[in-house]
Amino acid sequence: DVKVTQSSRYLVKRTGEKVFLECVQDMDHENMFWYRQDPGLGLRLIYFSYDVKMKEKGDIPEGYSVSREKKERFSLILESASTNQTSMYLCASSLKSYEQYFGPGTRLTVT
Amino acid sequence: AQSVTQLGSHVSVSEGALVLLRCNYSSSVPPYLFWYVQYPNQGLQLLLKYTSAATLVKGINGFEAEFKKSETSFHLTKPSAHMSDAAEYFCAVSNGGSYIPTFGRGTSLIVHP
Repeated sequence: DVKVTQSSRYLVKRTGEKVFLECVQDMDHENMFWYRQDPGLGLRLIYFSYDVKMKEKGDIPEGYSVSREKKERFSLILESASTNQTSMYLCASSLKSYEQYFGPGTRLTVT
Repeated sequence: AQSVTQLGSHVSVSEGALVLLRCNYSSSVPPYLFWYVQYPNQGLQLLLKYTSAATLVKGINGFEAEFKKSETSFHLTKPSAHMSDAAEYFCAVSNGGSYIPTFGRGTSLIVHP
């Protein structure tokens, strides 16, 4: 079975802190994605990557950056956390245009 | 371009009743279609997928969906709801030209005893 893991299930950070969310997949998938999920808004794509060191902006990249140094690992970085980044963050991976496999999510609270 | 519309942000059924969650899509090329389920405080998991084989697709937990090209629909059904089916359900579409799926906004299924 494909496994996607995220570094934390729950995280509480202060405004202005730099925050790292890490995601690891074990199925050699080329594509990896970061979404945020908010009530009533569904899933919104922040960034995605289709290969090592490659990244593309999604629909809401402002305030975020990403890093993909190894194929299995995709990190989301909040350079200076703000309260409006309080959300559920979901990582996913996929092979080509097929189904995505999601991690369990990180519920981030910024105070 | 591709898009997905899920009709109804909330659907409420009684235990044992038919479940019907609606999904309509638009895609400029033959689509791949997916239904995902999300239980509280968890990530999404794949329920079923359509990738141009049989139009009636069976998934996990007794769910199935039918691809109807003429209606551009991919509705999700289950003959008899169970309390454990209470969750958020997402329809998604992707096509061969893009590996970025488009998700619907989700439908919350509420099951009453």
